[in-house]
Amino acid sequence: QKEVEQDPGPLSVPEGAIVSLNCTYSNSAFQYFMWYRQYSRKGPELLMYTYSSGNKEDGRFTAQVDKSSKYISLFIRDSQPSDSATYLCAMSTSGTYKYIFGTGTRLKVLA
Amino acid sequence: DVKVTQSSRYLVKRTGEKVFLECVQDMDHENMFWYRQDPGLGLRLIYFSYDVKMKEKGDIPEGYSVSREKKERFSLILESASTNQTSMYLCASIATSGSSYNEQFFGPGTRLTVL
Repeated sequence: QKEVEQDPGPLSVPEGAIVSLNCTYSNSAFQYFMWYRQYSRKGPELLMYTYSSGNKEDGRFTAQVDKSSKYISLFIRDSQPSDSATYLCAMSTSGTYKYIFGTGTRLKVLA
Repeated sequence: DVKVTQSSRYLVKRTGEKVFLECVQDMDHENMFWYRQDPGLGLRLIYFSYDVKMKEKGDIPEGYSVSREKKERFSLILESASTNQTSMYLCASIATSGSSYNEQFFGPGTRLTVL
């Protein structure tokens, strides 16, 4: 079993839809949770960063961490064609700067 | 803004060649990383460095070495390139203090093809 599991998609949604992207993990020691967006042929860019449990909101993006279920989510409201990209989740434990990445979910928002 | 740059966006090399991939960051970060990214496998850590001249193996170090002579520069070396090293290579650095604590910043990537 991989430490971090992420559905690879692709996920196609119409413009304006609410998108839900998810990752599950097995290591209960993970404390830092990140979401990255990666456009084709580019490096990943950090979207959301959460420490421990709870929600975090930034504009149209909301990140949720449920440590009891070992499950994290990224919600995108009012999705736009410019949101079409691969979304990677990543996690790390305290005391280390090594991240474990999911394989990424490819999202396509149709105009 | 943190900037991580990589020496080449695209590179084509022949089997057996020695290949150097360079990465430079401008934010005085101690920690730097080299990953490779392959479809279906995600990002896999090759090597990382937590200080000048310090390095640690990641999950897939075989066939690679690294060099960190200056804090801002981290080089990945393929001693004898092979076709199974065809991949996208990503460099990253991480802030260990301040408002960007524990945030990893990536370069644009180098797409390496080994023929």
